Amino acid sequence: GAGVSQTPSNKVTEKGKYVELRCDPISGHTALYWYRQSLGQGPEFLIYFQGTGAADDSGLPNDRFFAVRPEGSVSTLKIQRTERGDSAVYLCASSLSGTGIYNEQFFGPGTRLTVL
Amino acid sequence: DQQVKQNSPSLSVQEGRISILNCDYTNSMFDYFLWYKKYPAEGPTFLISISSIKDKNEDGRFTVFLNKSAKHLSLHIVPSQPGDSAVYFCAASEGREYGNKLVFGAGTILRVKS
Repeated sequence: GAGVSQTPSNKVTEKGKYVELRCDPISGHTALYWYRQSLGQGPEFLIYFQGTGAADDSGLPNDRFFAVRPEGSVSTLKIQRTERGDSAVYLCASSLSGTGIYNEQFFGPGTRLTVL
Repeated sequence: DQQVKQNSPSLSVQEGRISILNCDYTNSMFDYFLWYKKYPAEGPTFLISISSIKDKNEDGRFTVFLNKSAKHLSLHIVPSQPGDSAVYFCAASEGREYGNKLVFGAGTILRVKS
């Protein structure tokens, strides 16, 4: 069975440019999470979707970051006016549900973003 | 303000011996704790978890211990194998009301020498 997939695997961009990172969750998983992992750190929560809606976006660092999940499946993380400090590995995870008992989060391989 | 701390950046253990990885947390609202394992160029994979109502959970070679009063948990791997060499992340969640978002530590690199 297919796991969580993320595209592209690597993205190099220039400061000030716009980027989109895509996540395909496991089929049937209603909860989707974005995390960011900087060098030498653990993953840091960005945003959580339950279905199509962003249930918790408290981890987004500023208004340059935005994420959507219009049909409750694929999600896109959008970063405007990229800065060198945005360079990190962006991880996506999905789980059966984000509510009720704890459901295991399955992670994708991540997108390594480098802002020059 | 790190709510989950892994104070040992790395650990080296001989094959067959016990590996002990430690984790401390500060948020008393955390009620679920997990360990994830990560290989290079892959996403973290779930290893083992423990609810705050328990003090021990065992799965094969892996055991997690939770000391709530000390806000401390540890992962024991015995016997350690070379394939266990990876980065291990401790993570915590405040629970289902908060969507189960995870707060991670910085990770510990485990090297198992054969």
